[in-house]
Amino acid sequence: EAGVAQSPRYKIIEKRQSVAFWCNPISGHATLYWYQQILGQGPKLLIQFQNNGVVDDSQLPKDRFSAERLKGVDSTLKIQPAKLEDSAVYLCASSEVKNYGYTFGSGTRLTVV
Amino acid sequence: GENVEQHPSTLSVQEGDSAVIKCTYSDSASNYFPWYKQELGKGPQLIIDIRSNVGEKKDQRIAVTLNKTAKHFSLHITETQPEDSAVYFCAASKRAAGNKLTFGGGTRVLVKP
Repeated sequence: EAGVAQSPRYKIIEKRQSVAFWCNPISGHATLYWYQQILGQGPKLLIQFQNNGVVDDSQLPKDRFSAERLKGVDSTLKIQPAKLEDSAVYLCASSEVKNYGYTFGSGTRLTVV
Repeated sequence: GENVEQHPSTLSVQEGDSAVIKCTYSDSASNYFPWYKQELGKGPQLIIDIRSNVGEKKDQRIAVTLNKTAKHFSLHITETQPEDSAVYFCAASKRAAGNKLTFGGGTRVLVKP
């Protein structure tokens, strides 16, 4: 089966600019997650969707981050305006509702200068 | 919320030796404990997992043990090979929390030929 697709792979922006990341989960996976991984740390959950509804966004900095999952398939994560501390790898993962295991995409590496 | 601590942060072993990584978790309700391997420029890849009704699980050269009473679990890699060099993450989740994974800080493993 095809894996979790993410784009772009890399992005460099200046602080205060905006940026968007895209994720296409594995077909049939109802649950989609966005994680932020700062260099040298473990991934931290930003937001979790089940189908097109938000399950958990308690760690999402809502003043600058937003995410949507239209039609319960693809998802976009947006940052506006970006700060230097947003430099990280943004990982998308998906899973079936009945299973515990995740499949991660390769991530988008964001550098804010 | 859940907190996962992982040790050591770096581990250097000679090819053929064993490697052990240990994690502790704080939430006694957690019931699923996966281990991920992350290679440079890639997303985390699930290598083995264990549920709370099992004390040990083995898959070829890797094994995971779980001590629910002490709230810790460990990854054991035997007969290490250079391709085992990567960053390893432990994580914990519980079904009641929507399978949200909380990750440890990671262990960088270097296998020296």
